[in-house]
Amino acid sequence: GAVVSQHPSWVICKSGTSVKIECRSLDFQATTMFWYRQFPKQSLMLMATSNEGSKATYEQGVEKDKFLINHASLTLSTLTVTSAHPEDSSFYICSAQRGLSNYGYTFGSGTRLTVV
Amino acid sequence: GENVEQHPSTLSVQEGDSAVIKCTYSDSASNYFPWYKQELGKRPQLIIDIRSNVGEKKDQRIAVTLNKTAKHFSLHITETQPEDSAVYFCAASKAAGNKLTFGGGTRVLVKP
Repeated sequence: GAVVSQHPSWVICKSGTSVKIECRSLDFQATTMFWYRQFPKQSLMLMATSNEGSKATYEQGVEKDKFLINHASLTLSTLTVTSAHPEDSSFYICSAQRGLSNYGYTFGSGTRLTVV
Repeated sequence: GENVEQHPSTLSVQEGDSAVIKCTYSDSASNYFPWYKQELGKRPQLIIDIRSNVGEKKDQRIAVTLNKTAKHFSLHITETQPEDSAVYFCAASKAAGNKLTFGGGTRVLVKP
């Protein structure tokens, strides 16, 4: 079945530094990648949607200059949290969709980010 | 945009009993309704989904019903087992390339 590999699974960084999270679709081409953030005991909140070769579309309230998304190929999308602060500590998870159908969203395994 | 509400937020059942979780959505154009099970620190795991051209779908102990007119859908788990304990999320999306909007989640505890 479809697999999305997400790395790292957890990361601890110092306040003010940047962290890059990668999601790779291993056996399919991810036309669209969704990036979610999940705070403890809360739901998944969409941060942005990216299509290969295009600029990402950010949800209201999400700073595009802080959360940089790159989807340069059909198998790789990255999220960079720039100038991270403790309030950015969260569980970040990607979800890939193949083709032009809403048949199936394949989730990465998530990244636990802790900013100290 | 789409808004998905989910109830209850917590649900405690005795092993062997049934559990029902309900969701409502706001956008009548939504046509895909998946349910996910998420364990602590893990990715959401699809357990069942339903499309708007179907009213009910069943897979062993799990069933989902959809009422398009009322814009609500429900998850039914029968003969619950301790391993069913997790957080369950409903979601909705409406077209190709569209995002999934999640409900707030239901924390299910199955007591042995």
